[in-house]
Amino acid sequence: GENVEQHPSTLSVQEGDSAVIKCTYSDSASNYFPWYKQELGKGPQLIIDIRSNVGEKKDQRIAVTLNKTAKHFSLHITETQPEDSAVYFCAATGGGGADGLTFGKGTHLIIQP
Amino acid sequence: SAVISQKPSRDICQRGTSLTIQCQVDSQVTMMFWYRQQPGQSLTLIATANQGSEATYESGFVIDKFPISRPNLTFSTLTVSNMSPEDSSIYLCSVVEGAREQYFGPGTRLTVT
Repeated sequence: GENVEQHPSTLSVQEGDSAVIKCTYSDSASNYFPWYKQELGKGPQLIIDIRSNVGEKKDQRIAVTLNKTAKHFSLHITETQPEDSAVYFCAATGGGGADGLTFGKGTHLIIQP
Repeated sequence: SAVISQKPSRDICQRGTSLTIQCQVDSQVTMMFWYRQQPGQSLTLIATANQGSEATYESGFVIDKFPISRPNLTFSTLTVSNMSPEDSSIYLCSVVEGAREQYFGPGTRLTVT
C-alpha cells in the first residue's frame, strides 16, 4: 500500500517569512495529492491539492509543487501570518481522489511574531 | 463545499461499552469515509462507507469492532464496539464531492476510561 513521509515534524518561522513542508510517497499509481490544515479542536480543512498531470498549483499565498519522477510534493506558504499556525498534513491517493487518503504524520507550523 | 456534521462532538465512555457516531451531510454524496486520529497523531482510514452495501475495511480494522451503516447518500454511522482505552481517538467522517476533493467533518472526540 501507499506510504507517505512528511518533514519536518515541527517548523518555526518568523512572521512574514516563507515556510516549506515536504512529502514523499511510495506508490507510483497515486495521482491526487491534497494538503490539509488542522487547527486545535477542529477537523482537517482542505487548503490546496494537485493532480499528477500538473507540476505546480498556486492559490494566493499557498503553492504546491509535484515531482512525479522523484515521487515528492511540497507545500509552500509565503508571507506567513499568525493565523497560519496549525498542523499541516499531506496526503496521497490513487483513483483521482475518489479513494481513501493515506496521510503523512503532520507538520506543526509555528509562526513567531 | 458540503456541510458535514457529526454527533456527538465528544463523549466519555466506560470500557466494554459501545458508542455510535453519526455523520450527516447537507447534500447527496457518493463517497463517504471514516478515519481515526489517535491523540497527537495523523489520520488513518478505517473504512469506506458504501451506500446500500457492506463497508470496505482497511487492514487492521474489522466489522465486528467498527460496524458501519450507510442507509442513504447523506448519512452514515460508525459504531465503536466493546471499547478499551486504546480506542480513545478522534473519529472523523469525510465525503468526496466536486472534482474529487475530500472534505472532513469536525470529528467526534472519544475518551474511554
